[in-house]
Amino acid sequence: EAAVTQSPRSKVAVTGGKVTLSCHQTNNHDYMYWYRQDTGHGLRLIHYSYVADSTEKGDIPDGYKASRPSQENFSLILELASLSQTAVYFCASSDRGGLGAETLYFGSGTRLTVL
Amino acid sequence: SQWGEENLQALSIQEGEDVTMNCSYKTYTTVVHWYRQDSGRGPALIILIRSNEREKRSGRLRATLDTSSQSSSLSITAAQCEDTAVYFCATDRGSALGRLHFGAGTQLIVIP
Repeated sequence: EAAVTQSPRSKVAVTGGKVTLSCHQTNNHDYMYWYRQDTGHGLRLIHYSYVADSTEKGDIPDGYKASRPSQENFSLILELASLSQTAVYFCASSDRGGLGAETLYFGSGTRLTVL
Repeated sequence: SQWGEENLQALSIQEGEDVTMNCSYKTYTTVVHWYRQDSGRGPALIILIRSNEREKRSGRLRATLDTSSQSSSLSITAAQCEDTAVYFCATDRGSALGRLHFGAGTQLIVIP
């Protein structure tokens, strides 16, 4: 079964601090994504990647950087964490089942609280 | 119905009832995905319907797609307590880049 593992599961950070969220997949998928979920809302795309050593901006990239050092690993970096970045972050990988038919496999999420 | 700019919708039903959740989207899509999210977990795909399909079934699930009105629905027949979850629709906005855009979701609560 597809496996996407996120770490840490939860984190408390201070305003202005640096935060790194990690994601590891064993699906052999080329595509990986970082989404953000705020309480009572849907998921919004932050960054994504099609291949190692390359990342693309999603819909809400401001305040976030991404790194894809290998096919299996994809990190989300908050250089200067802010209160507004308190949210649950989900990583996903996809199998590209053809145009418009890819399935996203999600990790269990990282709950980030910025104080 | 749900879409990204809206807040999460809530729906409570009795076990055994049928339920339909709606999704309207604003931009052309080649496919509509329906994901289910259990508490404390990431979303998981439960059914997808392509733009050339009007209806898709999987077990007790039925998805419909009306491209002319840019709307989709997900129906669950004889809902069970274990169907309690948040249900999201997601579209690709016609992009070949593999980016999915999610609606705000519908919180379904099935009461025993």
